[in-house]
Amino acid sequence: EIVMTQSPVTLSVSPGERATLACRASQSVGISLAWYQQKPGQAPRLLIYLASIRATGIPARFSGSGSGTEFTLTISSLQSEDFAVYYCQQYNNWPTGFGPGTKVDIK
Amino acid sequence: EVQLVESGGGLVKPGGSLRLSCAASGFTFDYYTMNWVRQAPGKGLEWVSSISTSSSSVYYADSVKGRFTISRDNAGNSLFLQMNGLRAEDTALYYCARVVTQDTAMVIDAFDIWGQGTMVTVSS
Repeated sequence: EIVMTQSPVTLSVSPGERATLACRASQSVGISLAWYQQKPGQAPRLLIYLASIRATGIPARFSGSGSGTEFTLTISSLQSEDFAVYYCQQYNNWPTGFGPGTKVDIK
Repeated sequence: EVQLVESGGGLVKPGGSLRLSCAASGFTFDYYTMNWVRQAPGKGLEWVSSISTSSSSVYYADSVKGRFTISRDNAGNSLFLQMNGLRAEDTALYYCARVVTQDTAMVIDAFDIWGQGTMVTVSS
């Protein structure tokens, strides 16, 4: 089973600043990597799939990069609505699995 | 509007059973692999089970294998999760989720459409 880790656990950022979130897989997942945003009381929302493709309706300030075992989600200029928990997911191998999440909060 | 609506959650005693349902609308249900994902209170996301378009392939997380059964009714645009032998650690919000890619084969994929979830609480 592929184990996903995310860092940092919490990221404190001021509005307008750049945020960089990391996701690591215990073995290569190619580019079969997705990122989700979850706000309190809401279902997860798909942001990025295939490591770098923005899902429908996702603003351009969200970008994904990486391949193999190392991946990054970058939010270029944080807006108030971006403060949330972010999860990565690998779907290269069964079982698919999620990382533990990174909480982005207001500095 | 593309939508998934879960129902069937509730409070159940350890060892009990529940059947969750997910009603799909706004898309061609039988073109997509469907999934259940759960989230324990205050915790992260855990994939539970997946089913292919024709129900010919199913996968389960080790934590639920032998206790949970996923199924679907394409004519009724519905997904189900039969949960038997429930344990306290199964307490979670259960989401149904659609994969990104249309395919007649089983697809392991990202999840682009999620319901709002149905809460399952296992407690005596």
